Amino acid sequence: EAQVTQNPRYLITVTGKKLTVTCSQNMNHEYMSWYRQDPGLGLRQIYYSMNVEVTDKGDVPEGYKVSRKEKRNFPLILESPSPNQTSLYFCASSFGTGRDTEAFFGQGTRLTVV
Amino acid sequence: QQQVKQSPQSLIVQKGGISIINCAYENTAFDYFPWYQQFPGKGPALLIAIRPDVSEKKEGRFTISFNKSAKQFSLHIMDSQPGDSATYFCAASGNYQLIWGAGTKLIIKP
Repeated sequence: EAQVTQNPRYLITVTGKKLTVTCSQNMNHEYMSWYRQDPGLGLRQIYYSMNVEVTDKGDVPEGYKVSRKEKRNFPLILESPSPNQTSLYFCASSFGTGRDTEAFFGQGTRLTVV
Repeated sequence: QQQVKQSPQSLIVQKGGISIINCAYENTAFDYFPWYQQFPGKGPALLIAIRPDVSEKKEGRFTISFNKSAKQFSLHIMDSQPGDSATYFCAASGNYQLIWGAGTKLIIKP
């Protein structure tokens, strides 16, 4: 089954404790991205990757890191989480961002930083 | 900054009615306009999409209307059903970017 898998689904952590949210896709997609979803703000892109070893900042990259060492995996790293990073996070993958491209989303990770 | 402005933020429609969600964009380089549907606890999923060379696309009860000169497009849900209750996102694609609207929470009342 074609899918994007995120883990964990729920995470409660304390300020400053490093965490990683994993994302894996099995569709051989080149393009992967991370979004955060907050009420009234929609989906805001954090980072994206157009291929292995190629990553770039989205609209809200501060406080986040990513890596793309393999095509299928795109982990999101919060080295020193703060309460304003409490949010719902989605990983997405696609063959690109052009015409007729469908983005596939994971189930989401609800992060709470206390 | 490129934007896609989506309205309304929330919408309540009676069962059987027509739900209408509107989006406006600024960048004329956009060449693909998808709508995504998100149910609670799930990630968004592609619902329907349109290219700017057509003015309307219909799939079942869902229709996209596109006005290139006004740089606006809208989603119409005919005969709205309680199962359509979800958050809907419009988006615009072009120049290696996918820009999202802020989302509309749609509630269909039985």
